[in-house]
Amino acid sequence: DAGITQSPRYKITETGRQVTLMCHQTWSHSYMFWYRQDLGHGLRLIYYSAAADITDKGEVPDGYVVSRSKTENFPLTLESATRSQTSVYFCASRETGYNSPLHFGNGTRLTVT
Amino acid sequence: GQQVMQIPQYQHVQEGEDFTTYCNSSTTLSNIQWYKQRPGGHPVFLIQLVKSGEVKKQKRLTFQFGEAKKNSSLHITATQTTDVGTYFCNTISNFGNEKLTFGTGTRLTIIP
Repeated sequence: DAGITQSPRYKITETGRQVTLMCHQTWSHSYMFWYRQDLGHGLRLIYYSAAADITDKGEVPDGYVVSRSKTENFPLTLESATRSQTSVYFCASRETGYNSPLHFGNGTRLTVT
Repeated sequence: GQQVMQIPQYQHVQEGEDFTTYCNSSTTLSNIQWYKQRPGGHPVFLIQLVKSGEVKKQKRLTFQFGEAKKNSSLHITATQTTDVGTYFCNTISNFGNEKLTFGTGTRLTIIP
């Protein structure tokens, strides 16, 4: 969807480096999410945010940090990248109310060497 | 915690054959959403089911929610090459937890 953009699309980084993945949405959705997608594991929730300055852990939060100072942005930071964090990362947003559908960004393919 | 199993993990079908994927939960669900992800793409919302026993159709796709609200299915009639992709269910338990749980997905490939 054009309303949610992720950057970069592709990133190669070295073990131990810090890397930040960006997510920006233009719908003013309250909720934003970060997922990682790996073969055999489907989509696993890393962190989510219910509003600006409100974040909570998902299923696999270790090694990741998030912040949400503005409603439209939800960056994901890998403080010290490891090879096990090589994955495709998707950001998503939705309106308030768990019945609302998720809108996904195009994803960031991250390789940690 | 809530566990969601999606089967099969892979399905290869001849073009024109039918296809079904199942989503099974260990707990009662409030609702279930289905998404499709084309190869190299991102998940796209297809439909949501809320009521016990609910059946919804989108052209050749039929979605069902079980009577006990613990399982769901997606059935595609007469598959076409455009149906290729991975189909995911996304669920939320009746405990009202905001942490939606995705199934592991079913990857559908079509043999022309």
